[in-house]
Amino acid sequence: DAGVIQSPRHEVTEMGQEVTLRCKPISGHNSLFWYRQTMMRGLELLIYFNNNVPIDDSGMPEDRFSAKMPNASFSTLKIQPSEPRDSAVYFCASSPGQASEKLFFGSGTQLSVL
Amino acid sequence: AQKVTQAQTEISVVEKEDVTLDCVYETRDTTYYLFWYKQPPSGELVFLIRRNSFDEQNEISGRYSWNFQKSTSSFNFTITASQVVDSAVYFCALSVPSGNTPLVFGKGTRLSVIA
Repeated sequence: DAGVIQSPRHEVTEMGQEVTLRCKPISGHNSLFWYRQTMMRGLELLIYFNNNVPIDDSGMPEDRFSAKMPNASFSTLKIQPSEPRDSAVYFCASSPGQASEKLFFGSGTQLSVL
Repeated sequence: AQKVTQAQTEISVVEKEDVTLDCVYETRDTTYYLFWYKQPPSGELVFLIRRNSFDEQNEISGRYSWNFQKSTSSFNFTITASQVVDSAVYFCALSVPSGNTPLVFGKGTRLSVIA
């Protein structure tokens, strides 16, 4: 069974450009999460969805960040416009039920904003 | 609010040594889950263990063992006879089922095992 699939694996862009990160959760999982990993702040939860509905987006840093989950098998995290301080590894994860359960992580997207 | 503290930022050991990674958590809830994840140099996050707050029995899985102590709010992870392949960043995490709170992670401990 395929795990959580993220694309792209690496993204290099210039400041001011729009960036879209994509995630396909494990089939049948009800909850989806976006985390950001940086050296300074570790792993931070940005937003999570349950049954495609955003439940908590308090971790989204600014209005430049937005996330959608149009259906149970796809989610996007968009940054517009991107800034150098957005450089980080962005992880998508899913879980079969509640948000408090074990998370299955994707391989992450390494984002570099120049 | 929930909080996880991993005070050890980096640890370096020689192969075959035992090493313990510390994890201290904070929560007011009586029901919660504790986790450990491993992040090898390749970058993915690999689940190691989940423990619920009502189960204080220590767990052993091969060279890995976990010591859960409610009295000190700790959930420490020991690797026995460490190997170079154990080199990774290890994260401790906490979640609370009531309120459907997602996992809150500590900042991780980078373990380097030297041959």
